Amino acid sequence: GENVEQHPSTLSVQEGDSAVIKCTYSDSASNYFPWYKQELGKGPQLIIDIRSNVGEKKDQRIAVTLNKTAKHFSLHITETQPEDSAVYFCAAQRSNDYKLSFGAGTTVTVRA
Amino acid sequence: KAGVTQTPRYLIKTRGQQVTLSCSPISGHRSVSWYQQTPGQGLQFLFEYFSETQRNKGNFPGRFSGRQFSNSRSEMNVSTLELGDSALYLCASSYSDFEQFFGPGTRLTVL
Repeated sequence: GENVEQHPSTLSVQEGDSAVIKCTYSDSASNYFPWYKQELGKGPQLIIDIRSNVGEKKDQRIAVTLNKTAKHFSLHITETQPEDSAVYFCAAQRSNDYKLSFGAGTTVTVRA
Repeated sequence: KAGVTQTPRYLIKTRGQQVTLSCSPISGHRSVSWYQQTPGQGLQFLFEYFSETQRNKGNFPGRFSGRQFSNSRSEMNVSTLELGDSALYLCASSYSDFEQFFGPGTRLTVL
């Protein structure tokens, strides 16, 4: 089955700096890669996603890049704010599989 | 539009009991998936339903089962509870085969 590895496990950044989280996947048939943000006591919130026919996608301060050849994808958060502090998960999915395989998560702390 | 709702939010059971968790998807979403979240194993897929049919199942024992009703609402059942079943159980709904939107989860504690 699909194996998704996520790094780093924890990330502390100064407010206003950028944060980068990286994930690798093992199944070359995976073609959908979402990122989720989970705050304490809440369920994961979909923040951005990318499909395998796209190399990069941006939404305000958040961007995701995908390298299909190397089988890795990354989340970039620019101009971080205290409300960006949360646990972030990457995931991968194959067509007609209907299941997400998640990375282990990255705890991001934005220092004021 | 209302989000995914899960009931109950918290549950305490003892070993050997069984439990039923409920999930109401976002209006118009016909796919419902269930995940287990624990500190040790992270987020793990349990099963997915679409139009009352299970389309995929994760690697969990037969004690874990689910179903979906004609209105897309779903339930999952865990029988003969074990201490290791203590977890946050998350339900997600989807309109397409991809974007999944999660509910707040049901926190199950097995004593």
